[in-house]
Amino acid sequence: NAGVTQTPKFQVLKTGQSMTLQCAQDMNHEYMSWYRQDPGMGLRLIHYSVGAGITDQGEVPNGYNVSRSTTEDFPLRLLSAAPSQTSVYFCASSSYLSGNTIYFGEGSWLTVV
Amino acid sequence: GQQVMQIPQYQHVQEGEDFTTYCNSSTTLSNIQWYKQRPGGHPVFLIQLVKSGEVKKQKRLTFQFGEAKKNSSLHITATQTTDVGTYFCAGASANFGNEKLTFGTGTRLTIIP
Repeated sequence: NAGVTQTPKFQVLKTGQSMTLQCAQDMNHEYMSWYRQDPGMGLRLIHYSVGAGITDQGEVPNGYNVSRSTTEDFPLRLLSAAPSQTSVYFCASSSYLSGNTIYFGEGSWLTVV
Repeated sequence: GQQVMQIPQYQHVQEGEDFTTYCNSSTTLSNIQWYKQRPGGHPVFLIQLVKSGEVKKQKRLTFQFGEAKKNSSLHITATQTTDVGTYFCAGASANFGNEKLTFGTGTRLTIIP
């Protein structure tokens, strides 16, 4: 059971480049979310999804897009990378049916130069 | 929007001393959760509190949810070196579930052997 898998683990981008952070879960969870973590600021919600085909914005959505075409996958797209998007990104999933325990991926360290 | 404040930001304790971190939400919560994150790691779910005034224990850890469901605390008795890490609280508002959490800024615990 892999849980929540994020790729890549590390990435360096140039300003203006685009990229996609991948997130997949194999627990059939309906809820999936993306957070970014910056020093001294805790985790901030970027986008979330309550099921396939349904997404919504979190606290800091600007500069990011998401889609949820399947239950398993929830990719996060950076449209035009900026240095302010240098951060650690975590994907998370949970399910009401499994007691609402939230599982986080191991994180993706992104540096924009 | 909803805000969750967490204090202290840092705590250094001698091994064997107790440790407490506090969370306070600007709005009433449907539940509050606690996570532990080791340096370089990802947040790991510890517990979820749902009921007003709820108290739960996990070995040396005691979690409390306030009567008004706006504040919470985590107390560790007789800290050990394995307790090192950052402890986060995360609140779910009354209108949303665990797909849309607001995290506190975390308390980083270091242990002096």
